[in-house]
Amino acid sequence: GAVVSQHPSRVICKSGTSVKIECRSLDFQATTMFWYRQFPKKSLMLMATSNEGSKATYEQGVEKDKFLINHASLTLSTLTVTSAHPEDSSFYICSATWTSGRANEQFFGPGTRLTVL
Amino acid sequence: GQNIDQPTEMTATEGAIVQINCTYQTSGFNGLFWYQQHAGEAPTFLSYNVLDGLEEKGRFSSFLSRSKGYSYLLLKELQMKDSASYLCAVRDAVDSNYQLIWGAGTKLIIKP
Repeated sequence: GAVVSQHPSRVICKSGTSVKIECRSLDFQATTMFWYRQFPKKSLMLMATSNEGSKATYEQGVEKDKFLINHASLTLSTLTVTSAHPEDSSFYICSATWTSGRANEQFFGPGTRLTVL
Repeated sequence: GQNIDQPTEMTATEGAIVQINCTYQTSGFNGLFWYQQHAGEAPTFLSYNVLDGLEEKGRFSSFLSRSKGYSYLLLKELQMKDSASYLCAVRDAVDSNYQLIWGAGTKLIIKP
């Protein structure tokens, strides 16, 4: 149980376009979802925390108008990278948890590798 | 401030034992996690400690000392597939969103 999917797994886009990444909890209702980005050989950097039905809480330095997060249901959160630029190229990972889950463990999606040309 | 320290890289031999240390300074404490991450993949859960002591799970064990702000992950009978990054993460009790504070990860290289 506790499977999280992400789509797409890999995307290449032109500079200036917008890209939407979906994160789904397949067999549980995720009260909270997290979005991370990770640069090569670096650790996870939390971008934002998303609770179902409310606005996401962004970490300092993360532009909320550039990285739009929507958590419309207990099983789906989306991250939209607007007007993407080459510096946005990164590995984006979502995770999900629920308050009654094992130690509130975060279950990770497989990640989305974004390349902006 | 919040800080988690772990070695950047370690090397060990197949079949041997390796211990990866993690020290933390956080404003609160509500559990410490260890995750394994292979290159290009998402992290996978290994262990969780919230009380002092050793938690054993097969070849992997994790230890916690809250008074010392210290944990270690012990890997026994190392296999080549154990080559990965190992991430230490602490949940700050102050936070209500169950966010984790992440270490930079320890890259473990297993040699034949």
